[in-house]
Amino acid sequence: DTAVSQTPKYLVTQMGNDKSIKCEQNLGHDTMYWYKQDSKKFLKIMFSYNNKELIINETVPNRFSPKSPDKAHLNLHINSLELGDSAVYFCASSHRAGPLIKGQFFGPGTRLTVL
Amino acid sequence: AQSVTQLGSHVSVSEGALVLLRCNYSSSVPPYLFWYVQYPNQGLQLLLKYTSAATLVKGINGFEAEFKKSETSFHLTKPSAHMSDAAEYFCAVGGSQGNLIFGKGTKLSVKP
Repeated sequence: DTAVSQTPKYLVTQMGNDKSIKCEQNLGHDTMYWYKQDSKKFLKIMFSYNNKELIINETVPNRFSPKSPDKAHLNLHINSLELGDSAVYFCASSHRAGPLIKGQFFGPGTRLTVL
Repeated sequence: AQSVTQLGSHVSVSEGALVLLRCNYSSSVPPYLFWYVQYPNQGLQLLLKYTSAATLVKGINGFEAEFKKSETSFHLTKPSAHMSDAAEYFCAVGGSQGNLIFGKGTKLSVKP
C-alpha cells in the first residue's frame, strides 16, 4: 500500500544512453512533481503535472521529458545522459486544490549514476 | 519570489538535549512553510507544516515549529533528541505554482 512509488530505486548507466524513471501514486492526487536532489543534497523542482497537463517546467535541458499517461503516473525520460545528470530524482504528488495546504508526498527516490 | 535559508549545514547534539534547527524565509505573500526529514537513503517525510492557522505547529516524532512573522523564521525544535532523529532536515516554502522551494538542508547528528 505504498503511497508514491518509483522504479527503479537505483539506475547506473553510461553517458549517452537514454533512460526512464517511473512514478506512480495511489493517493488519488491529481498533481505530480519531479524534483532533483544534487550531490550536495539541494532539492529543486523540475516539472509538475496536473491531470496530465504540464504546469511547471523549470529551466531543465530538453533532454529531460516528462510524460503523464494519466493522473496517477508521471514518468521521466532522459535522453543522451550526461555525467551532470547524476543525482537523486524524487517524484511527489499532491491535490491540485491545496498542494500547499495539504502538503506534498514524496516517493523514495531514484539514484541515477551516469558513468 | 520565495526563498528559504537554513542556518547551519550540520548540527550536532547529545542524546536527550534540545534540538534547534533554524530556518528563515523570504516571501512576498503569506507563506506556507514546511519541514521535511530525510533519513539516509530514503525519501522525504513531512514533519509538519504551517498554513496560517496556529503559529505553533506540532508535528510527528515530537517535533514542533513556531512561525514568527516579525523574524521571518520557522525554526524546528524538539525538547529531547533521540538517536533515531539523526537525519537530514529540510525547510521549505510554498512556491507560487504549488511547488516547494527548499533550503539547503541541515544534517542533524545525535551523540550518545
